Formats: sequence, C-alpha cells, structure tokens
Amino acid sequence: QKEVEQNSGPLSVPEGAIASLNCTYSDRVSQSFFWYRQYSGKSPELIMSIYSNGDKEDGRFTAQLNKASQYVSLLIRDSQPSDSATYLCAVTLRGSGNTGKLIFGQGTTLQVKP
Amino acid sequence: DVKVTQSSRYLVKRTGEKVFLECVQDMDHENMFWYRQDPGLGLRLIYFSYDVKMKEKGDIPEGYSVSREKKERFSLILESASTNQTSMYLCASSLAGRADSPLHFGNGTRLTVT
Repeated sequence: QKEVEQNSGPLSVPEGAIASLNCTYSDRVSQSFFWYRQYSGKSPELIMSIYSNGDKEDGRFTAQLNKASQYVSLLIRDSQPSDSATYLCAVTLRGSGNTGKLIFGQGTTLQVKP
Repeated sequence: DVKVTQSSRYLVKRTGEKVFLECVQDMDHENMFWYRQDPGLGLRLIYFSYDVKMKEKGDIPEGYSVSREKKERFSLILESASTNQTSMYLCASSLAGRADSPLHFGNGTRLTVT
C-alpha cells in the first residue's frame, strides 16, 4: 500500500461546478496535511494546510480531514478554467519530527471545461 | 515572501559527467530538500538536510550526493550522470521545529542526460 494515495484522474468538471479531490494515507499518526497545486511545467505551490479533524475554508477552497478514516480532501467551489492543474496531497509521516519531511501522493489532474 | 532559487532552469549534460544543481533560500530555513519528479511516479525525496553539514537519505539517494556548507545553500551532486537521471529536480525549504511548516519550492531544474 502506498503511503499517500490519490486518484490520478483526469477529473473533469464543468466551469462553475464543485471539484472534489481525495487523498488517503497509511500512517495513523500523521500530523500535518497539505494540498499543493502544480501547473504544467511549474513547481508546486501551497494552497491549503490542515491539522485538525473537520473542515477548513479559504476562499473557494475547503480542506476536509478525517483522521479516523485516514482521509483528506480538497473541495474547489465555482471551479474556473484557471483551476486546471495537478493537485498534490502531502502528509507528514511518523518520525518526521522536526525535519519537515513530507510524503507526496502522485497527484490528481483536474480539468475545468468552459 | 520565501524565495527558493535554483541556479538553472534547464540543463543538458552528457553521460558520465559530474553535475551540480544549486539551491539557495533567503528565509533562514533550517530544512532543505531535493526531490525529483517523473511522470507517473510523482515527487520522490532524494536527500534532505535539517542543519548545516547535516544530511539524511531520502527514498532514492542512489547515484546522488549532497552538500550543505552554509545554511542558505543546498547542493545536489550527480557524481556520474546517467540517462535514468533525466528528470525535473525540485529544491524546497521549510522551518524546523514545526510539524505544520509547509515546503516552499524553487522553480525546478529540468535536467536532460544524453
């Protein structure tokens, strides 16, 4: 089992719809969870971080964390064509301590069609 | 704003050459990382460093070494480049001592080994 798993997609949604991106992780003691967006040919940029169970909202983005189910998701409301990118889920693992070491999923490609 | 600068955007090297990839960050971060990113394989950690002169192997260290003589600079060295090291290389940095500290990425170096 991979440590961090994402469906590679592509996930295709129409403009204005809600895009739902999912991620599962294997380490029950993972503490920190991040969503990065990566445009083609560019480096990843941080969108959201979440550390506690529940929802965290930032503009059109909502991160959801369920530690019991080892599941983290990202919702994008009112999707725009500019949201078309690959979304990477990243998780700290047991023993990463203060090193900040993150494990990344393979990413989900989102396509928002006008 | 954190700035992580990678010295080259594109590099073309020949098999057997010694290759140096340089990374500098300007936010006094303790942690620095080198990842490579390949289609279908996602981001994989090569090496990381949590302090000057300190280094730890990541998931795929074979064929690579690193150097951290100064806090702001982290170098990745390919001792004898091979074609299977053709990839996108990403440097990142983060604050130490906080599990919630995200990674900040440089723009990446696309290396081609012929």
